[in-house]
Amino acid sequence: EAQVTQNPRYLITVTGKKLTVTCSQNMNHEYMSWYRQDPGLGLRQIYYSMNVEVTDKGDVPEGYKVSRKEKRNFPLILESPSPNQTSLYFCASSSPSLAGVETQYFGPGTRLLVL
Amino acid sequence: SQKIEQNSEALNIQEGKTATLTCNYTNYSPAYLQWYRQDPGRGPVFLLLIRENEKEKRKERLKVTFDTTLKQSLFHITASQPADSATYLCARRVTYKYIFGTGTRLKVLA
Repeated sequence: EAQVTQNPRYLITVTGKKLTVTCSQNMNHEYMSWYRQDPGLGLRQIYYSMNVEVTDKGDVPEGYKVSRKEKRNFPLILESPSPNQTSLYFCASSSPSLAGVETQYFGPGTRLLVL
Repeated sequence: SQKIEQNSEALNIQEGKTATLTCNYTNYSPAYLQWYRQDPGRGPVFLLLIRENEKEKRKERLKVTFDTTLKQSLFHITASQPADSATYLCARRVTYKYIFGTGTRLKVLA
C-alpha cells in the first residue's frame, strides 16, 4: 500500500530535550516536505526537499532541522524544543505526474506537546 | 508575498444542497490550485487540481472553478451528504514551496 508513515504519532517532551520525528514514504517520491498545523494558522511549511541531499527552508524553519540522506526518509529534528513548537506535524511526499503536476500525499500526523 | 485566503467561518448546509467554498489568492496567478479534504486529526487528502488555463474541473460530485480575473477558485460539492463534513483546504505552489489556506470547515446537516 502506498503510504507516508510518521513516528511517533504522539509525543510529550520537555523544553530543551532533543527529539526526532521520522517520516518515510514507499512511493519513490522525489519531493518531501514537513508542515506544522496550528489553530487559526493553518498548514505552514517548515522544510522541503526536492531530492536526496537537497533541502530548503519553508515559511517557518526556525528551530527545526532536516536531512535527506535517502530518498524514502525525511526526518524532522528539533534540537532544543520549546513550548511554541507544540503543534500537529505532517510529513508529505509527491512526485510529478505524467501531466507534470504534483499532488501531495500526507502522513497521519504527529502530535507534539512541549512542556 | 503570496497568500491564500479561505473563509475561516464554518459553513453549515442542509443535506442535498450544494456547498460552495471560496479560495482567494494574492499577487500573480498560480499555475494551478489544489484542493484537499482534511478530517479531524488526520492528514489532508488530495481531491482536485485546476490549472490556470482551465475554467472548470469536475470529479463526481465535486466541481472546481478558477477565475484569474477575480483571483479566486470556487469549490462546489453538489448533492451534499453528511459524510462530506470536513475541512477543505486550498493550496498553491510557489517555486518549490506550498502555501495553504487555513481551510473552511463544512458541516452537512442531515
